[in-house]
Amino acid sequence: DTGVSQDPRHKITKRGQNVTFRCDPISEHNRLYWYRQTLGQGPEFLTYFQNEAQLEKSRLLSDRFSAERPKGSFSTLEIQRTEQGDSAMYLCASSPTRGLNTEAFFGQGTRLTVV
Amino acid sequence: RKEVEQDPGPFNVPEGATVAFNCTYSNSASQSFFWYRQDCRKEPKLLMSVYSSGNEDGRFTAQLNRASQYISLLIRDSKLSDSATYLCAVTPGGGSNYKLTFGKGTLLTVNP
Repeated sequence: DTGVSQDPRHKITKRGQNVTFRCDPISEHNRLYWYRQTLGQGPEFLTYFQNEAQLEKSRLLSDRFSAERPKGSFSTLEIQRTEQGDSAMYLCASSPTRGLNTEAFFGQGTRLTVV
Repeated sequence: RKEVEQDPGPFNVPEGATVAFNCTYSNSASQSFFWYRQDCRKEPKLLMSVYSSGNEDGRFTAQLNRASQYISLLIRDSKLSDSATYLCAVTPGGGSNYKLTFGKGTLLTVNP
């Protein structure tokens, strides 16, 4: 499968615990994004990497959230001290850098439930 | 006004019907436009990019109206398998043209 891969697909955690999600983008894509989606809403932008550089972070990304892409390949998103409001689908996407159009392809997501 | 707004739906149509979705955006500098399809509890999948001249892919036609700041998606001869949520997405242009802003989506159910 050469698409965007995310792991785990589902995560249930207790409030206050830390969680980490992994994303492996399409191999030739140097742009990587994290989005969050809650029920009944469209995905909301969280952060963007160009290669290993994190170039933008949304205000939605509180200081409990940190994302890395250490070698410009896979990325991790960590949430510390999880809260019930963090329950959502966390989507990773990637796109190539070409021209003006940025067609982004999404992974299957990690569904987080904080209990 | 929200950045991207879609028809609230839901749309329930019989097989074979033609259905149209509209999406408006508030940022006149928006540069790139897309329609995504999302099945229940799955990831969004890119359906079509939307170009200024309009574009067609089989039964699907997308249009962009920059003057009125809306994009549309027309599905002809709808199939049961078209049942899904349709999301429009827009990029802001300029230095942030990588960032997608999505509408809430419009749920389509095609009935036999």
